[in-house]
This record gives sequence, structure tokens and C-alpha cells, in this order.
Amino acid sequence: DVKVTQSSRYLVKRTGEKVFLECVQDMDHENMFWYRQDPGLGLRLIYFSYDVKMKEKGDIPEGYSVSREKKERFSLILESASTNQTSMYLCASSFTRSYNEQFFGPGTRLTVL
Amino acid sequence: QKEVEQNSGPLSVPEGAIASLNCTYSDRVSQSFFWYRQYSGKSPELIMSIYSNGDKEDGRFTAQLNKASQYVSLLIRDSQPSDSATYLCAVRSYNQGGKLIFGQGTELSVKP
Repeated sequence: DVKVTQSSRYLVKRTGEKVFLECVQDMDHENMFWYRQDPGLGLRLIYFSYDVKMKEKGDIPEGYSVSREKKERFSLILESASTNQTSMYLCASSFTRSYNEQFFGPGTRLTVL
Repeated sequence: QKEVEQNSGPLSVPEGAIASLNCTYSDRVSQSFFWYRQYSGKSPELIMSIYSNGDKEDGRFTAQLNKASQYVSLLIRDSQPSDSATYLCAVRSYNQGGKLIFGQGTELSVKP
């Protein structure tokens, strides 16, 4: 079974803090994705990566950066957290670009005070 | 026009009935189609994928794809209260690389 894990289920941070969200997959998937999900707005893609050291902007990259130093790990960084970044953050991975079935981690509910 | 559209619901069906969830998409060159189930407070779980026109069955679930009409649906037979969740339709277009475009989701409620 595909397993995607995220470092925290719940996280509370203060405005201005630097926040790291970690995602690890154990199936040797090439592609990894970060989404945020908000009521009424659905799933929105923040960043994705097709390979180590590669990253591409999604639909809402502002205020976020990512890092992929190892194939199995994809980190999302909030350089200076703001209250409008309070959300559910979901990591997903897929095998290759051609096989697009994405498998999601459990999510991190981030609250920025 | 949204790229992937679903009725937000809630769709309410009695236990044992067939639940029919619908999704339309705007990009004619879309190639891959997925249905995810998401329970409240949980992450999406892949339940069906379909790549060619016609029906694909897996247990109580049937996905139907009609590329000419740009329409994909999910039927849930013998609906159970445990099927109550939000169902997300996702579509991949040829020129989107590995990205999926998600609909807003349809909330399904199965009443005992």
C-alpha cells in the first residue's frame, strides 16, 4: 500500500513565524504535491515537484516555498506565517507523470494566530 | 466556466438506494479521471480511476465516462450510511503534466 505521511496532524503557530511542513512517501514516487483546502474554495495546488531538486509553482504559490532534497521527502515552508494561511494542508504523491493517481497524506491542520 | 464542475449537494439518498454523482469538465483533451472520497476532517482517498469511455465497476462503485459529452459519473449501489462523505472528481488533461484539476466536491448523505 502507498503510504504518505505528514509530520503533524495539528499545528498552531504565531504570525510571523517560519513554519515547516514535512511530507514523506515510501513508494518511490517521482511526483509530489502540496495543496491547501479551505471551505468553499476546494483543493488548491500550491507547489509540485517532478524530481529531486525540481519544483514548479501551482495555482497559489505566494507566501510559500518548497524543498525537495530527497526523492521521498517534500517540504512546504511558510517563510512568515500569516493568519490567512490558516488551512488544511495536504500532501500527495504519484508514481510518474503518466500515472496520475495521486495518493494523499492525512493532512496538517495549521492554525496561525 | 470552471474546469471541473460538480453539484455541491448535499445529495441525500436512503440506505440501500443508488447514489449518482456527476461531474463535467471543460478540457476536451482530458485523459484521466478520478473519484476521491473525503470524510469530514480527513484527507481524500482514491476510490476509482477511469481512462476510457464506458463503465468501470469495482464492488459497489461504478464509474462512467463519456468523453464526447465531457461527462464522468460515479454510481454507488446499495448505499450505506458509511458512504456519507464528500466525493471529489479530478481530471488530468494532456497538457497539465502530472497535475490534477479537482472539482469542488459533492456532499452525499445516506439516511438509515
